[in-house]
Amino acid sequence: DTEVTQTPKHLVMGMTNKKSLKCEQHMGHRAMYWYKQKAKKPPELMFVYSYEKLSINESVPSRFSPECPNSSLLNLHLHALQPEDSALYLCASSHGRSTEAFFGQGTRLTVV
Amino acid sequence: DQQVKQNSPSLSVQEGRISILNCDYTNSMFDYFLWYKKYPAEGPTFLISISSIKDKNEDGRFTVFLNKSAKHLSLHIVPSQPGDSAVYFCAASHSNYQLIWGAGTKLIIKP
Repeated sequence: DTEVTQTPKHLVMGMTNKKSLKCEQHMGHRAMYWYKQKAKKPPELMFVYSYEKLSINESVPSRFSPECPNSSLLNLHLHALQPEDSALYLCASSHGRSTEAFFGQGTRLTVV
Repeated sequence: DQQVKQNSPSLSVQEGRISILNCDYTNSMFDYFLWYKKYPAEGPTFLISISSIKDKNEDGRFTVFLNKSAKHLSLHIVPSQPGDSAVYFCAASHSNYQLIWGAGTKLIIKP
């Protein structure tokens, strides 16, 4: 299994809603990542979990809250988002530093 | 301050010819470089990587060249195929899990 699975694929939410994005991998990778990507831009790193501990938070607003329940799962809890948060949210995993990260297909999020 | 630069937003190549995508970096601490390919509305797919201790890495039709003195790397695709049409991102890393990404180059393979 060389896949990173993200659900849902598409999500439309209002600015007062609470929703969660989910990510799962079964490759035994110990690093998991959340990225945000806007159209025609490279992915922007949001969070990195290493061995289930948050190791990097790229000054992301608190309306985005990551959670790593175990080594295979990564969630991103969303609350009170703004329309400008609409983007493709990508999850990735890797064995460790400096090894290739495998990306999921992303969740296309639209905030209305 | 862009530490990883892909100066060509797009590149058009005839099918069967060689595609050469370029990437420049400014941080001499980078020790690992990767190329990703991305189709619209999908996550990036890892293509090939190179460590700073090497100057070339080859995998099938894809070859990455690293010139440390020039802080330059390039991805060669030969022969180019229609399915290679995508956006290609160069990325670099050092000392932690963070990848620094270039802006991407859109490769168009013409039949």
